Amino acid sequence: AQKITQTQPGMFVQEKEAVTLDCTYDTSDQSYGLFWYKQPSSGEMIFLIYQGSYDEQNATEGRYSLNFQKARKSANLVISASQLGDSAMYFCAMTPEDSSYKLIFGSGTRLLVRP
Amino acid sequence: DAGVTQSPTHLIKTRGQQVTLRCSPKSGHDTVSWYQQALGQGPQFIFQYYEEEERQRGNFPDRFSGHQFPNYSSELNVNALLLGDSALYLCASSSGTPNGPYNSPLHFGNGTRLTVT
Repeated sequence: AQKITQTQPGMFVQEKEAVTLDCTYDTSDQSYGLFWYKQPSSGEMIFLIYQGSYDEQNATEGRYSLNFQKARKSANLVISASQLGDSAMYFCAMTPEDSSYKLIFGSGTRLLVRP
Repeated sequence: DAGVTQSPTHLIKTRGQQVTLRCSPKSGHDTVSWYQQALGQGPQFIFQYYEEEERQRGNFPDRFSGHQFPNYSSELNVNALLLGDSALYLCASSSGTPNGPYNSPLHFGNGTRLTVT
């Protein structure tokens, strides 16, 4: 069975600095997808970035980048130049080989950006 | 372009009652998935609907059922409510085939917060 582990319940970062949110995963599938979602207090899950298990290059989307280390089974999210609006819950998730719709989420990390 | 819309936003029910939650997918999407998010936890997959059929299901009892309509909108029904069913229920939509590798990200609604007393 697949599992996502996020070991940081909460993180602080100073505005304009970079921050790394940790994520490790466990799966026996050869093909899988890794995702990061942001959940502000409104409740909506906002897609940030995706990394496929066969992608050799780390994914980047604007200020977000995913540090993918397949051998270590880690998929850390790096947010550069933090903004006050980045304060939210962040969830790492993965999809198994047989379904792109069955997201398996971690427990999340609450990020607070200080002015 | 409307995103995923869910109704109602909040709901309070009594233990043993039944509840129906509604979801309209993002324009152009034909697949709907439902997730349950308990307080302080990540969302858990309930089930997925495509072409008006339940295609995949997570570890949820039969008290949780759903439906997808020809216009792709969906309902989540929960019978015999328990206190433990209190949670944020998220609907997500996407397009494409229901199985196989990733082809597009899920788009989530703002959720329905259900409180069971």
